Amino acid sequence: GENVEQHPSTLSVQEGDSAVIKCTYSDSASNYFPWYKQELGKRPQLIIDIRSNVGEKKDQRIAVTLNKTAKHFSLHITETQPEDSAVYFCAALNNNDMRFGAGTRLTVKP
Amino acid sequence: NAGVMQNPRHLVRRRGQEARLRCSPMKGHSHVYWYRQLPEEGLKFMVYLQKENIIDESGMPKERFSAEFPKEGPSILRIQQVVRGDSAAYFCASSPFGNDYGYTFGSGTRLTVV
Repeated sequence: GENVEQHPSTLSVQEGDSAVIKCTYSDSASNYFPWYKQELGKRPQLIIDIRSNVGEKKDQRIAVTLNKTAKHFSLHITETQPEDSAVYFCAALNNNDMRFGAGTRLTVKP
Repeated sequence: NAGVMQNPRHLVRRRGQEARLRCSPMKGHSHVYWYRQLPEEGLKFMVYLQKENIIDESGMPKERFSAEFPKEGPSILRIQQVVRGDSAAYFCASSPFGNDYGYTFGSGTRLTVV
């Protein structure tokens, strides 16, 4: 089955700086890669996603890139704000089977 | 559309008791997934169900844990003879058939075993 690895496990940045979180996946058949943000005590919420036929997608301060050949994808957050502090999970979907990375705890210092 | 509904939100059980966690998928969704999240850890896949069928239970512990998604009613995750190590947040997600965009999480059930 699919195996998703995520790095780093913790990330601390100054407000206004950029944050990058990277994930790799093992199953080349995976075709959908969402990113979830989980605030303390709350459910994971979808923030951005990308499909395997697209190399990059951007939504305001958030962007995701996908390298199918290398089987890795990344989340980029620019101009970080304190409210971006949360745990971020990447995931890979193959045939209705979604597997998650272990999560990255992002802390944005004011 | 009320979203994915999980209940109870919080559940306290003594060691040895049974815990039943319920998940009602979004309207029109026929795929249900259960995940476990231990404190300070990520989401661990447990089981994937469609109506009346278990599709993938590779993440389920071999003993004490079972799941079902009957033709009528919510999906149930059942934990028998709970132990302290079962304390975790259990999240359910649902999706419509063949549609990635519909993958949505419930608010979770926080199980505490005392």
